[in-house]
Amino acid sequence: ETGVTQTPRHLVMGMTNKKSLKCEQHLGHNAMYWYKQSAKKPLELMFVYSLEERVENNSVPSRFSPECPNSSHLFLHLHTLQPEDSALYLCASSQGPYETQYFGPGTRLLVL
Amino acid sequence: KNEVEQSPQNLTAQEGEFITINCSYSVGISALHWLQQHPGGGIVSLFMLSSGKKKHGRLIATINIQEKHSSLHITASHPRDSAVYICAVPLYNTDKLIFGTGTRLQVFP
Repeated sequence: ETGVTQTPRHLVMGMTNKKSLKCEQHLGHNAMYWYKQSAKKPLELMFVYSLEERVENNSVPSRFSPECPNSSHLFLHLHTLQPEDSALYLCASSQGPYETQYFGPGTRLLVL
Repeated sequence: KNEVEQSPQNLTAQEGEFITINCSYSVGISALHWLQQHPGGGIVSLFMLSSGKKKHGRLIATINIQEKHSSLHITASHPRDSAVYICAVPLYNTDKLIFGTGTRLQVFP
């Protein structure tokens, strides 16, 4: 399998649930990203990992917890989310800061 | 004011028309990205350019660094071009991309 994959593609969870989103890239890239896309808003960068170290956290609430065990895998652990967290969560990867970012298909999350 | 602005926000066209989508930005950049997002969320990178013009099939992207402006053109538009087109610029020397709000294009047969 090539490119950037994300699982699950759709997720419905209650506010007390704990779930995880998974992203995997098969491109040999060194940087991986989590983005949130809410309706009618620009893509928002949540986390950046470069060489498995978190280099940026754009003031994301602690109910979102990223994990990057190696350069090919990125997780987003979710707990006690709010309905306003319902959105499309996109993962991307790139070789470096001036390189094209390749996006996964996204996970559409609905928090009830 | 957003650091990256696109116009128009919505665009409808008849099949075969020439399409232009504009992007203006206020930050210093090394390159600019054009992305295409299909219904359902999948995003595809179309172009990354730092000067001049790039062409891929019916798509043409131009950038003027001095004027901080880029355009995406679609020639002979087709209904399958219907998507949201997003302009994004990286903050200089970082991995961080700043995105425009996107232009929703609908091409009717």
